[in-house]
Amino acid sequence: SQQGEEDPQALSIQEGENATMNCSYKTSINNLQWYRQNSGRGLVHLILIRSNEREKHSGRLRVTLDTSKKSSSLLITASRAADTASYFCADGGQAGTALIFGKGTTLSVSS
Amino acid sequence: DSGVTQTPKHLITATGQRVTLRCSPRSGDLSVYWYQQSLDQGLQFLIQYYNGEERAKGNILERFSAQQFPDLHSELNLSSLELGDSALYFCASGRSRELFFGEGSRLTVL
Repeated sequence: SQQGEEDPQALSIQEGENATMNCSYKTSINNLQWYRQNSGRGLVHLILIRSNEREKHSGRLRVTLDTSKKSSSLLITASRAADTASYFCADGGQAGTALIFGKGTTLSVSS
Repeated sequence: DSGVTQTPKHLITATGQRVTLRCSPRSGDLSVYWYQQSLDQGLQFLIQYYNGEERAKGNILERFSAQQFPDLHSELNLSSLELGDSALYFCASGRSRELFFGEGSRLTVL
């Protein structure tokens, strides 16, 4: 696995707005995953997108993958204060390999 | 609740000391992963075990060691502790398509 790099490092928005976070990676992937971490807590898996998929939805989350640009984006629509957290991407790599995470995007949603 | 249990939740110790962090993976998971999270280094992969065998090594210091026991629980041993070892240590289990993280052990070295 390789390290994904999230962008921006920090994002502040108002409740109800959409939040977009980006992830870039360097080599070919099997899948790309997004995780959320509430302050000081363990990471929680949000969504996985396979390398042959271009877009995937889960509730208010929308993930896109552009393998030609080696990038992915996570869109959270109609943000809520409870979405305040850090978001990390990681490439799934081959089965059984460890996930390597980037430094994450810290999202603050104010009411 | 992820199903991954880590103990202790908090640990305060002095430089030069040794500590052991414990992790019980989710029922049925054979893999255990250890990560270190600090403000300056971010989330760093340390080491992975699969069914008792070391599978992959990341940025693990020589002062650190780990093992996975026959009952699949794992321990991370940190010795000759330095101030810079203060961090959150996470254990995760699962497969590469989805990891389940424990709540972490917060280590403070004074």
